Amino acid sequence: EAGVAQSPRYKIIEKRQSVAFWCNPISGHATLYWYQQILGQGPKLLIQFQNNGVVDDSQLPKDRFSAERLKGVDSTLKIQPAKLEDSAVYLCASSPLGPYEQYFGPGTRLTVT
Amino acid sequence: AQSVTQLGSHVSVSEGALVLLRCNYSSSVPPYLFWYVQYPNQGLQLLLKYTSAATLVKGINGFEAEFKKSETSFHLTKPSAHMSDAAEYFCAVSGTGNTPLVFGKGTRLSVIA
Repeated sequence: EAGVAQSPRYKIIEKRQSVAFWCNPISGHATLYWYQQILGQGPKLLIQFQNNGVVDDSQLPKDRFSAERLKGVDSTLKIQPAKLEDSAVYLCASSPLGPYEQYFGPGTRLTVT
Repeated sequence: AQSVTQLGSHVSVSEGALVLLRCNYSSSVPPYLFWYVQYPNQGLQLLLKYTSAATLVKGINGFEAEFKKSETSFHLTKPSAHMSDAAEYFCAVSGTGNTPLVFGKGTRLSVIA
């Protein structure tokens, strides 16, 4: 089966610009996660969707980050305006309902200059 | 609240030697525990998982881990290291159901010929 797809793979922007990332989860997976991985650290959850509803966005910096999951399938994560400290890899993961492991996409590496 | 501590940010072993990567967890509920591996510029790949069944868990590529509740540990081992094992390894914990993963900071494994 196809894995989790993410695009773009790399993005370089200047601070105060906006950027959007796209994720297509594995077909049939109800739950979708966005994680932020800063260099030298483990991934940290930004937001969790179940179908098209938000389950947990407590760690999402809502003044600049937004995310949506239309029709319970694809998802987009947006940053506006970007700051230098947003430089990181943004990982999308999906899982079926139940106590199953999460499957990760290749990530989008964002560099803010 | 859940947390993971990985002891040693960098471990170096000789090819053919035992690999031991340490992980201790904290969880207020019975935990699900995972080990993921990340190769450069790639997403995370699941090595193995503990979900309250057998305490000794076997994973891919010859890795295994043992859940020890009394020590709150879930250390990862491999009897004989291979050059291709060089990567970043992350231990993660979650509660039951579709809850987000909480990751450790990762351990970088180097294998010396």
